[in-house]
Amino acid sequence: GDSVTQMEGPVTLSEEAFLTINCTYTATGYPSLFWYVQYPGEGLQLLLKATKADDKGSNKGFEATYRKETTSFHLEKGSVQVSDSAVYFCALTMNSGYSTLTFGKGTMLLVSP
Amino acid sequence: DARVTQTPRHKVTEMGQEVTMRCQPILGHNTVFWYRQTMMQGLELLAYFRNRAPLDDSGMPKDRFSAEMPDATLATLKIQPSEPRDSAVYFCASGLELANYGYTFGSGTRLTVV
Repeated sequence: GDSVTQMEGPVTLSEEAFLTINCTYTATGYPSLFWYVQYPGEGLQLLLKATKADDKGSNKGFEATYRKETTSFHLEKGSVQVSDSAVYFCALTMNSGYSTLTFGKGTMLLVSP
Repeated sequence: DARVTQTPRHKVTEMGQEVTMRCQPILGHNTVFWYRQTMMQGLELLAYFRNRAPLDDSGMPKDRFSAEMPDATLATLKIQPSEPRDSAVYFCASGLELANYGYTFGSGTRLTVV
């Protein structure tokens, strides 16, 4: 079945450091890809998405590029802030009428001042 | 901003009691999911509705869990009887039929069964 694999955390960075969180996927066909963010005590919020190969999703300084050749969708940010501390989930869904969201296990990011 | 509303936010109950969690999807969304989140298992899909009809509840323990959508503005998840292993955060999410728009999640119900 479809699956998403994320790097294990926690990822610990100092403020203004560069962030990469790796995400790879396995799917039959061509999925849409998402990054969700979960702040403590809250639900998941859609951070960015990409629906086809070579698309780049971006939001709030975060970026991820849909790479079909490497089946990857790595999340990057050039300069993290303390307020970016959260759990980040990579997810996919197939572009069919009947498809759910398949999530990775999440990666915790801790940013210190 | 439109929101998915879940109630209650927190619930502590004794083993064996019935628990009902409610979700109000965003108006106009025709797809509703229930997910359970635990440290060990991460996010698990429990149930999936489209146009109020259940499409997939294979992730749900049938003997004690039930999910319904009595109308387009309300989805419910019931556990009867509850067990300590049901302690988790339960999320509802809603969206439109074309899944690549993404889904909007509620803030969750944190359930503790003692």
